[in-house]
Amino acid sequence: GAGVSQSPSNKVTEKGKDVELRCDPISGHTALYWYRQSLGQGLEFLIYFQGNSAPDKSGLPSDRFSAERTGGSVSTLTIQRTQQEDSAVYLCASSLGKRATDTQYFGPGTRLTVL
Amino acid sequence: GENVEQHPSTLSVQEGDSAVIKCTYSDSASNYFPWYKQELGKGPQLIIDIRSNVGEKKDQRIAVTLNKTAKHFSLHITETQPEDSAVYFCAASDFNKFYFGSGTKLNVKP
Repeated sequence: GAGVSQSPSNKVTEKGKDVELRCDPISGHTALYWYRQSLGQGLEFLIYFQGNSAPDKSGLPSDRFSAERTGGSVSTLTIQRTQQEDSAVYLCASSLGKRATDTQYFGPGTRLTVL
Repeated sequence: GENVEQHPSTLSVQEGDSAVIKCTYSDSASNYFPWYKQELGKGPQLIIDIRSNVGEKKDQRIAVTLNKTAKHFSLHITETQPEDSAVYFCAASDFNKFYFGSGTKLNVKP
């Protein structure tokens, strides 16, 4: 079956603009995660959804970052007033969500470049 | 919060040799430790994981060991092959929050 998909694959924007990044999880997966990966770095946890709710938003770097999930499926990560330090690859993952140890399946990521 | 450190940052081995990557974590509440392999332009893929009630786990050429007392865990790859070349990440988790190491770039020379 289809894996996790993300769009767009690449996004170039100007400083100060808003961007929306989309994640389509694997069908039936109730848990969804967003991570940020800066060049040559590990993954930084941003936010986790169980269904449509996000029990823990503490990983979001600033109030310019927000995320939502509708219908227990698609999720959107929004970055307002983008800054150059927001440039990174944004990865989404989904899992069955029945246990915290369920395997996370990652999408290919969205590479965001802020000029 | 949790802090995961990973070493080495780069590792070059000859085909057929073994490779070992080590991680330490700081939060004793962490109870799940997955390892991921990331190839260029792709998202990470789970290759093996271990839970805190187990000391070692093997899957063919890959093994992971966990020392809860010392708060460290390691990935062992035996009989390395060129297709093992990639970036490897360790992670530690407590409930649904995952903390990743900074990655090890493994290069297997034919």
